[in-house]
Amino acid sequence: QKEVEQNSGPLSVPEGAIASLNCTYSDRGSQSFFWYRQYSGKSPELIMSIYSNGDKEDGRFTAQLNKASQYVSLLIRDSQPSDSATYLCAVNQGGTSYGKLTFGQGTILTVHP
Amino acid sequence: EAGVAQSPRYKIIEKRQSVAFWCNPISGHATLYWYQQILGQGPKLLIQFQNNGVVDDSQLPKDRFSAERLKGVDSTLKIQPAKLEDSAVYLCASSQRGAGPGDTQYFGPGTRLTVL
Repeated sequence: QKEVEQNSGPLSVPEGAIASLNCTYSDRGSQSFFWYRQYSGKSPELIMSIYSNGDKEDGRFTAQLNKASQYVSLLIRDSQPSDSATYLCAVNQGGTSYGKLTFGQGTILTVHP
Repeated sequence: EAGVAQSPRYKIIEKRQSVAFWCNPISGHATLYWYQQILGQGPKLLIQFQNNGVVDDSQLPKDRFSAERLKGVDSTLKIQPAKLEDSAVYLCASSQRGAGPGDTQYFGPGTRLTVL
């Protein structure tokens, strides 16, 4: 089982729709969870972080965390063509690997007009 | 605030040659990371420095890869000798403290390495 696994893509949604990106992780000691956006040929850019169970909203983005189910998701409301990118889920493990980020394989999102 | 700087941006070498990458983190950031990102995959941590000490190098292929961070600021990552499978983007990132709640990793533009 992969340490961090994201829903297989690519994901294609129409402009204005809600895009839903999912991620599961295997380490129950994980403490912090991040969503990065990566445009083609560019480096990852942090868009959301979440540390507690529940929802966290920032503009059109909502991150959801369920530690019991070891599941984290990202919702993008009113999707725009500029949201087309690869979305990377990253998990910060606790304990001796404190600070180490483990990334999922990424989900490619395409928003079409 | 200046971001993470990396050079070169692109490098093409023959297999068995050596190559070095340079990274300058955001000023004041104690922690520096080197990641390898193979096309179609997420970044994989190679090595993590806290100031000038190594915190984690468990996924660094030590027979061919080496890294140092002198004086706790700039860092270099070296590959010698390179293999075809080393073709990837090498990303440098830095964070203020060493990651944890509230600590964010900022990535540099990366170096795209092609090994022929």
